[in-house]
Amino acid sequence: DGGITQSPKYLFRKEGQNVTLSCEQNLNHDAMYWYRQDPGQGLRLIYYSQIVNDFQKGDIAEGYSVSREKKESFPLTVTSAQKNPTAFYLCASSIRTGGDIYGYTFGSGTRLTVV
Amino acid sequence: GQQLNQSPQSMFIQEGEDVSMNCTSSSIFNTWLWYKQDPGEGPVLLIALYKAGELTSNGRLTAQFGITRKDSFLNISASIPSDVGIYFCAGRRNRDDKIIFGKGTRLHILP
Repeated sequence: DGGITQSPKYLFRKEGQNVTLSCEQNLNHDAMYWYRQDPGQGLRLIYYSQIVNDFQKGDIAEGYSVSREKKESFPLTVTSAQKNPTAFYLCASSIRTGGDIYGYTFGSGTRLTVV
Repeated sequence: GQQLNQSPQSMFIQEGEDVSMNCTSSSIFNTWLWYKQDPGEGPVLLIALYKAGELTSNGRLTAQFGITRKDSFLNISASIPSDVGIYFCAGRRNRDDKIIFGKGTRLHILP
């Protein structure tokens, strides 16, 4: 079955460390997105990619980095420059930037906690 | 940037009650979407709306695309415990624009 997979489900990081969150899709989607979710804040866009080897900053890109070397994969690195990284991170994909008739397809999320 | 105002922010209801929530925008949208997020999971699409005035149902859920194209509504009838979660509205102006999400309505059901 096609879908979008995020791993790990839970991640713990020590302050000052970088950590990479994985997002893989086998839906043959060109566009992929990373969102951060905090209580009461909704979904805030971190980075998005419309095509392989290209990506753009979203609304809260500071302290994060991404790569898009393969169509299927869009990993997110939370760097030590991100001052408040504890959050729920969601990856999504779609046929194109505007989404298809189903909007965006989301993964099941990674909860990152700084200890 | 574009923003969607979703209300209420949270709701506490009794099982069996009907629920209404809405979403408004300062801009015209040509697509409205409603998602539900279960605790600890990603959002899942419930209903998609593509025409002004459109009324679409999915089981006990009914959503409407406002005539002005600046709002949308979601109703849930006869709520059950599994309706608990966060409901997000989302909109898109044009086919190639990114989808914009509201901040969500958190639904709690009292025993």
